[in-house]
Amino acid sequence: DQQVKQNSPSLSVQEGRISILNCDYTNSMFDYFLWYKKYPAEGPTFLISISSIKDKNEDGRFTVFLNKSAKHLSLHIVPSQPGDSAVYFCAASETGANNLFFGTGTRLTVIP
Amino acid sequence: KAGVTQTPRYLIKTRGQQVTLSCSPISGHRSVSWYQQTPGQGLQFLFEYFSETQRNKGNFPGRFSGRQFSNSRSEMNVSTLELGDSALYLCASSLQGSATTDTQYFGPGTRLTVL
Repeated sequence: DQQVKQNSPSLSVQEGRISILNCDYTNSMFDYFLWYKKYPAEGPTFLISISSIKDKNEDGRFTVFLNKSAKHLSLHIVPSQPGDSAVYFCAASETGANNLFFGTGTRLTVIP
Repeated sequence: KAGVTQTPRYLIKTRGQQVTLSCSPISGHRSVSWYQQTPGQGLQFLFEYFSETQRNKGNFPGRFSGRQFSNSRSEMNVSTLELGDSALYLCASSLQGSATTDTQYFGPGTRLTVL
């Protein structure tokens, strides 16, 4: 049973426009959420995170939004750049845990 | 500071064989976690080690095992390989292993193909 779901396997966006990647979770115990970015032949790298006490966290061009009632989070990238083309994984955990639950990933392609 | 390293990067085995994968964490990191990545399942947690002790284990059969050495290096072993074990195996290290306070740094992975 996949506790973290990314229902869009791929997304294409024009350079300069906004990219919105979505993620849903089922476990109400999750209180910490992260996004990782993965380039081919490399391991995932941490991008941005959000605690459940917040509904928004911003870091430069990247913003993560959390809707706890809907058990939904999204990652906004504005403006999108060709170098953002990668696979993005959503992950979740709960306080005290030492493992992450990952979604299946969304491949973002930013078209120049 | 050197990143997380994993060896070998690629491995081809046949069904029934066993395999050992190695992970060297970032210097100073005491926690090492292992994940399996497959196209349909994303990354799935295998186990986590801290100071040579397994603290947590995912939902994988007993054929999957691991250990951690005193220098924090970790190995993962899969016995009696099955075709479905073909995957990218990722190792991640962090200072203390907390998923909510420590950033996990991933290695490039070992691509295992079982024929």
